This record gives sequence, C-alpha cells and structure tokens, in this order.
Amino acid sequence: DIQMTQSPSSLSASVGDRVTMTCRASQGISNHLAWFQQKPGKAPKSLIYAASTLQSGVPSKFSGSGSGTDFTLTINSLQPEDFATYYCQQYNTYPLTFGGGTKVEIK
Amino acid sequence: EVQLLESGGGLVHPGGSLRLSCAASGFTFSDYAMSWVRQAPGKGLEWVSALSGSGTSTYYADSVRGRFTISRDNSKNTLYLQMNSLRAEDTAIYYCAKIPWGGDYFDYWGQGTLVTVSS
Repeated sequence: DIQMTQSPSSLSASVGDRVTMTCRASQGISNHLAWFQQKPGKAPKSLIYAASTLQSGVPSKFSGSGSGTDFTLTINSLQPEDFATYYCQQYNTYPLTFGGGTKVEIK
Repeated sequence: EVQLLESGGGLVHPGGSLRLSCAASGFTFSDYAMSWVRQAPGKGLEWVSALSGSGTSTYYADSVRGRFTISRDNSKNTLYLQMNSLRAEDTAIYYCAKIPWGGDYFDYWGQGTLVTVSS
C-alpha cells in the first residue's frame, strides 16, 4: 500500500498569512493526488485534484503543486473560514490512501 | 446540484450487521463510480470501498474485505454498504462519496452517518 505522510500535523497562523503544507507518498504517484478541506463536524470538501487543478468553485488562493512523491498545498491570505484540517489522498493505486491531515489553527 | 444523503447508521453490538444507504441526486448516477470513506471519532479519513458505475468492479480496504459488501441499485440511484461481523474499530462516521471521471478521488461527499459498535 502507498503511505501518505503529511507535515506538519498542525500549524498556527494569523489571518492574512500564507501557509504551506506538504504531503509525501511512499512511492511515486505521478500527479494522482487530491486535497480536501474538512471543518469540525462537517464532511470533507474537495479542493484540488491532479495535484494542481482547482475543483470548480474553489477560490484561487488555494494552489497545489508537485509530482512523483512530493506535493504541497499553499493557501494565500488566510481567512477565518480557512481554519480547518487539510487531507491529501493518492489515487494512483488501490487501496486509495489518505494522509493523516494538517490542522490549521488560529494563532 | 449533486446531493448525497446517507442513512442506516446506528448502534450495533460487536458481531452484528448493519446496512448503510446513500441516496444520490443531481447527476446521472449510473455513469459514475461511488465510494465509502469513514472517519473514526477524532481520527483521519480512511477509504473503505469503491464500486464502478455498472457495479461490476468492486474494491475494498483490507480492513473490511470479507466483512463488508458494496453494491448499488442504479434504478433507485442508491449506493449501499452491507456491514457484517462488525467490530469496535468499525465505529466511525461513514461518508458516501462520488468519484468523477478521470480519477479515483472524491468530488462530492454526503454529510455522513454514524455507526457505533459497542456492547
């Protein structure tokens, strides 16, 4: 199985900050990577697929990059509604696997 | 508007069974693969199972293979998850998710249904 490792597991940031988080796959997955946002008590929401393609309706302050084993999610100009947990997921191979998540908290 | 509405969760004893349903609307259900993803209390996301649009191809996580069965009724626009031999570690919110064309990720999610396995 492909293991997905996210770092950091949590980070503190202020409104207006730019934040970056990483996701590493245990083996190459090309660009078959998705990112999701989950707020407390809510279902996950799709943000990005194919490593860097924004899901329809997702604001352009979110961006993704990477290929192979190393990927990043960047959020520009952090707003109160962006404080949430972010998960990556590989879909190169079954079983589909998620990273452990990065929780973005208010500083 | 795509909507996915799960039902069927509840409290069940270890070793018991439960069937979850996911009613879909807002898209041509039979054209898309579907999946179940779960989240244990306070934990991360875990993929459980997936099923092709025709229902002919199924995929399972090792943790549920042989105990859970995914199926669909395209005439009713409904996805199912039959869960047998339930264990305490199956306690989680179970989400139904739609898989788009072009990649096995999840573009739409339901609100989830809670399954609690406890004596």
